[in-house]
Amino acid sequence: QVQLVESGGGMAQPGRSLRLSCAASGFTFRNYGMHWVRQAPGKGLEWVALISSDATNKYYADSVKGRFTISRDNSENTMYLQMNSLKVDDTAVYYCAKDVGDYHYDFWGQGTLVTVSS
Amino acid sequence: DIQMTQSPSSLSASVGDRVTITCRASQGIRNSLVWYQQKPGKAPELLIYSASTLQSGVPSRFSGSGSGTDFTLTISSLQPEDVATYYCQKYNSVPPTFGGGTKVEIK
Repeated sequence: QVQLVESGGGMAQPGRSLRLSCAASGFTFRNYGMHWVRQAPGKGLEWVALISSDATNKYYADSVKGRFTISRDNSENTMYLQMNSLKVDDTAVYYCAKDVGDYHYDFWGQGTLVTVSS
Repeated sequence: DIQMTQSPSSLSASVGDRVTITCRASQGIRNSLVWYQQKPGKAPELLIYSASTLQSGVPSRFSGSGSGTDFTLTISSLQPEDVATYYCQKYNSVPPTFGGGTKVEIK
């Protein structure tokens, strides 16, 4: 069965960096685009970034553009989110999600919490 | 960017009631709309795609309709396990924007 397992969350000070990972199993990872979606405490869902199956196309929300970098390693079935210059407003649960093929998701991970605070 | 507006933001209904949630797009999106259900403390789950197609395994009391700019999610007979927040999302173009969510509670 499809499994997506996020890791790498934790606490960071404003301006610092964190790297999230999403380990995938149960499907042919290299065939699917993947996304990061976040949810601030008590708030709604916010799309963060997407990467195409072969990593040639990457897109970012305006709120993270220039600070976050999405990447993937198809040999390791893993996607990453490098988060630099973190802000308090980046505090959220970060989910990875498998793209059905046209930018919506049939499977989500359980999420990893990122807390940015001084 | 296309904005997605859901209403109401919350509702309370009795078991067995018919519940309707609305999602409006700021521009036409044909039928490129999905609905997710998010139970407290859990990741979202796909309910409906292409505005009206039920995801495998989703109970038939859930249905979706609409095209263009106006969409609805209907729960025909609310059950206790339907307590959740429901989100619409438009897809097929970047950014794949979510609506603000509708929290459904039991009265």
